Amino acid sequence: GEDVEQSLFLSVREGDSSVINCTYTDSSSTYLYWYKQEPGAGLQLLTYIFSNMDMKQDQRLTVLLNKKDKHLSLRIADTQTGDSAIYFCAEDPNTGGFKTIFGAGTRLFVKA
Amino acid sequence: DTEVTQTPKHLVMGMTNKKSLKCEQHMGHRAMYWYKQKAKKPPELMFVYSYEKLSINESVPSRFSPECPNSSLLNLHLHALQPEDSALYLCASSQDTSGYTGELFFGEGSRLTVL
Repeated sequence: GEDVEQSLFLSVREGDSSVINCTYTDSSSTYLYWYKQEPGAGLQLLTYIFSNMDMKQDQRLTVLLNKKDKHLSLRIADTQTGDSAIYFCAEDPNTGGFKTIFGAGTRLFVKA
Repeated sequence: DTEVTQTPKHLVMGMTNKKSLKCEQHMGHRAMYWYKQKAKKPPELMFVYSYEKLSINESVPSRFSPECPNSSLLNLHLHALQPEDSALYLCASSQDTSGYTGELFFGEGSRLTVL
């Protein structure tokens, strides 16, 4: 079945890089997403990558996709305290739409 | 306007009450969603409306009743809820792109407590 797995917790020092990892199961997924959820708020799309790409860079964010291993990672450069949040990896399986599959979420804690 | 607005932000209700959660978007999106999120868990899909018609009901108990009065509004009517229904209820919208969901735009959520 469809499943998205990610580690639950990551702690880094301010200024360091953060790397959040994710594995997914549906090889037909065309879109893979990273959503951010701050405390008491809804989810917000951070970035996404098409399955025919290996890498996407957007300012401090770098997404790497290893389609063979079904592994997705999000690197945040120069992590700031404002980056503290829960990061959800998500896949858009080719099931006709609407059913985005979310991972459990990685809670990023940035120490000043 | 790229916002999804949800009201109320907080709701406390007894098990015999009837209340409603409301959601509004003005991005012209034709797909609207209700998700339920428990603490430290990912959002769980409840309902999807596509072009104002109920497209997906993820076997949600009938004490939750969705309604889509028009393309901008989505309601969730609540009746005879249980304490375990306490959660953050998130509304989302997306362009109804055939085959894939695309980016979901989420509201801030309505935090529901059932006593």
